[in-house]
Amino acid sequence: GAVVSQHPSWVICKSGTSVKIECRSLDFQATTMFWYRQFPKQSLMLMATSNEGSKATYEQGVEKDKFLINHASLTLSTLTVTSAHPEDSSFYICSASGGAPDTQYFGPGTRLTVL
Amino acid sequence: EDKVVQSPLSLVVHEGDTVTLNCSYEVTNFRSLLWYKQEKKAPTFLFMLTSSGIEKKSGRLSSILDKKELFSILNITATQTGDSAIYLCAVEAYTQGGKLIFGQGTELSVKP
Repeated sequence: GAVVSQHPSWVICKSGTSVKIECRSLDFQATTMFWYRQFPKQSLMLMATSNEGSKATYEQGVEKDKFLINHASLTLSTLTVTSAHPEDSSFYICSASGGAPDTQYFGPGTRLTVL
Repeated sequence: EDKVVQSPLSLVVHEGDTVTLNCSYEVTNFRSLLWYKQEKKAPTFLFMLTSSGIEKKSGRLSSILDKKELFSILNITATQTGDSAIYLCAVEAYTQGGKLIFGQGTELSVKP
């Protein structure tokens, strides 16, 4: 139990395009989903916390107009990187809480490369 | 400011060795401490610790928490090359709405 999926697993795009990443909890209802970014050789940095049906809470320094988060249902959250630039290239990981035991379960991650 | 510090940052051992990874924290309203293993993809859950002095075990891995001294250790006995990974420690606080504060990670490399 407590499986989280992400799609796509990797994406390459041109600078200036927008990219949408989906995060789904497959066998539980996720009351809260989190979005992280991880640069090479660094730890996970929380970008935002998302509760179903309400606006996401962004961490300091994360541009909410650039990283759009939608959490429309208890099993799906999406992160859209708008007008992506090469510096946005990173490993994006979502997690979801609401399973058992009550902790965060991570998706497999999405590697974004912006050319 | 809440923080989680792991040591060492990297470690190279040979198969069969035993390793101890450290995690210390300063977090207000501590709820739980978690250990994750990260290979090429996203972290996989190992342990969640909430009470002091109670060891959690899973095969060759074990972990314990000391809430008085504010640290946890993760032990791996009889290491194998498949244990090579980054091990992440994270702390959750009651007041953070479920947010996890991650340490920098320990990169473990097990040589044959």
